[in-house]
Amino acid sequence: GDSVTQMEGPVTLSEEAFLTINCTYTATGYPSLFWYVQYPGEGLQLLLKATKADDKGSNKGFEATYRKETTSFHLEKGSVQVSDSAVYFCALGIQGAQKLVFGQGTRLTINP
Amino acid sequence: DAGVTQSPTHLIKTRGQQVTLRCSPKSGHDTVSWYQQALGQGPQFIFQYYEEEERQRGNFPDRFSGHQFPNYSSELNVNALLLGDSALYLCASSRSTNQPQHFGDGTRLSIL
Repeated sequence: GDSVTQMEGPVTLSEEAFLTINCTYTATGYPSLFWYVQYPGEGLQLLLKATKADDKGSNKGFEATYRKETTSFHLEKGSVQVSDSAVYFCALGIQGAQKLVFGQGTRLTINP
Repeated sequence: DAGVTQSPTHLIKTRGQQVTLRCSPKSGHDTVSWYQQALGQGPQFIFQYYEEEERQRGNFPDRFSGHQFPNYSSELNVNALLLGDSALYLCASSRSTNQPQHFGDGTRLSIL
């Protein structure tokens, strides 16, 4: 069935470090791919998305490229800030975005 | 512009009881989806409502049911509560069934 696998956390980095959170997926057809972020005590916020192969989603300095050949959608940021500390979820959308399948989440902590 | 709002914020119930959770979608959105997020896990899709009908359903028992009203708001009902139903219940809305979903802050349900 459709599934998403994320790198296990927690991930701890220093401020201004480079961030990569790996995400791979298994899906039939051509799903849309998403990254969501969850701050403590809050719901999920859409961070970025890509709807077809080779699309690059970007927002707030974060980027991810839809790689069909490697079935991946890795999240990257060149210089992280303390305020980026949160849990990040990779997700795929079945039939566009009708049903979202999430990874298990990666907790990121940025130290000053 | 109000986002997705959910009520109540927290709820404590005992085994065997029934519960109703409520969701108002973001303005302009007509599709509502419900997710269950167990502690430390990614959200799991319960079902989606569009035009007052259940359009898709995840792998949840019939104890989980829902409703969508003409104003697009929605309810999630869970009967015969089990300890394993303790989770954060997230509501998400979108402009149609094929657009990115926006999440509320969730209802934290605890079963004693």
